[in-house]
Amino acid sequence: RKEVEQDPGPFNVPEGATVAFNCTYSNSASQSFFWYRQDCRKEPKLLMSVYSSGNEDGRFTAQLNRASQYISLLIRDSKLSDSATYLCVVNSEEYGGSQGNLIFGKGTKLSVKP
Amino acid sequence: DTAVSQTPKYLVTQMGNDKSIKCEQNLGHDTMYWYKQDSKKFLKIMFSYNNKELIINETVPNRFSPKSPDKAHLNLHINSLELGDSAVYFCASSQDFRAGETQYFGPGTRLLVL
Repeated sequence: RKEVEQDPGPFNVPEGATVAFNCTYSNSASQSFFWYRQDCRKEPKLLMSVYSSGNEDGRFTAQLNRASQYISLLIRDSKLSDSATYLCVVNSEEYGGSQGNLIFGKGTKLSVKP
Repeated sequence: DTAVSQTPKYLVTQMGNDKSIKCEQNLGHDTMYWYKQDSKKFLKIMFSYNNKELIINETVPNRFSPKSPDKAHLNLHINSLELGDSAVYFCASSQDFRAGETQYFGPGTRLLVL
């Protein structure tokens, strides 16, 4: 089983749409969870960390379900500038979940159209 | 000011050659990383250094040798380059190596082996 699995995508949505990304992870000992964003031919950048209680940052909402080992990201009122690949990221099992060795999902590409 | 910088940005070379990629961070971070992103866009950790000491060494051929002259620099030397080494190599840094620390990525080095 792959360590981090995401929707394969791509997602093509109109401006203003709400779009949801889902992710599952295999290591129950993982302690840290993130969504990174990667624009075409650019480096990944942290979008937001994901906390057990769920967290929101403007139009972005992240949820974590530890029991199901499931992470989600919701983007409301999507903008053209949201077009990018969204990477689900958890820290590695191999080092007991307490060190910063990140495992990246393959990412889901989002294209927001006018 | 560039937080994490890499040189060169592009590298085209022949099979069998030896090449180096340099990385520098001006964030005062203790931990630095090398990642490889292959043609399928899968981003995988290669090495992690904390205060110049190697802490993570994933299953990487020993043709790849990282060197950290000080905690602000982590260079990657590759011997006897192979076609399969073609990828984008990202350097990253974080405050320390604990899980939960944000990793900041450099712009990437696009390596093409002919």
